[in-house]
Amino acid sequence: AQSVAQPEDQVNVAEGNPLTVKCTYSVSGNPYLFWYVQYPNRGLQFLLKYITGDNLVKGSYGFEAEFNKSQTSFHLKKPSALVSDSALYFCAVRDMVYKLSFGAGTTVTVRA
Amino acid sequence: DAGVTQSPTHLIKTRGQQVTLRCSPKSGHDTVSWYQQALGQGPQFIFQYYEEEERQRGNFPDRFSGHQFPNYSSELNVNALLLGDSALYLCASSGRVTGSMNTEAFFGQGTRLTVV
Repeated sequence: AQSVAQPEDQVNVAEGNPLTVKCTYSVSGNPYLFWYVQYPNRGLQFLLKYITGDNLVKGSYGFEAEFNKSQTSFHLKKPSALVSDSALYFCAVRDMVYKLSFGAGTTVTVRA
Repeated sequence: DAGVTQSPTHLIKTRGQQVTLRCSPKSGHDTVSWYQQALGQGPQFIFQYYEEEERQRGNFPDRFSGHQFPNYSSELNVNALLLGDSALYLCASSGRVTGSMNTEAFFGQGTRLTVV
């Protein structure tokens, strides 16, 4: 069975500082990994994905993620956080027929 | 492109009632998946439809059923509603199952169901 874990319920950073949201995964084959963001009372917005190729993936809104096979991690990063980045972030892993398994989510708060 | 659209946006039902939620996928997508997101939790997979058939199912009881129409739109039906069914129900669409594995799922804004 595939799964992801987000070890931090909350991440708090100051605006302009680097932001990291952690995710580890468990799959039996090649991982298909995704990050989504959710704003209050909204659906999920796609940020970025890792399917194959470069371990550093660049996505929307200045976000990037580093795939590390040896540590089974897929951490989301942003070099300089904005107040508008405050939201709920979900890591997910997908199987071969598009079923997504999500982590519990990490609430990011960026203070001005 | 309207993206994934869901209706209604909010719904209040009484225990024991039945509810139908609707989803229109993003243009070009033929696979629709439904997720339940309880308050403070990540989305949980309910089931997936492709070519008008249920292809995968998560750990949800038979009270949860669905349908996909020839135009790829989909409905989620929940019978005998329980208080615990209160959640945000999300629809996601994606590309062909036998096609590229590189496409991501696009989500609608969800239907907030409250069971009282």
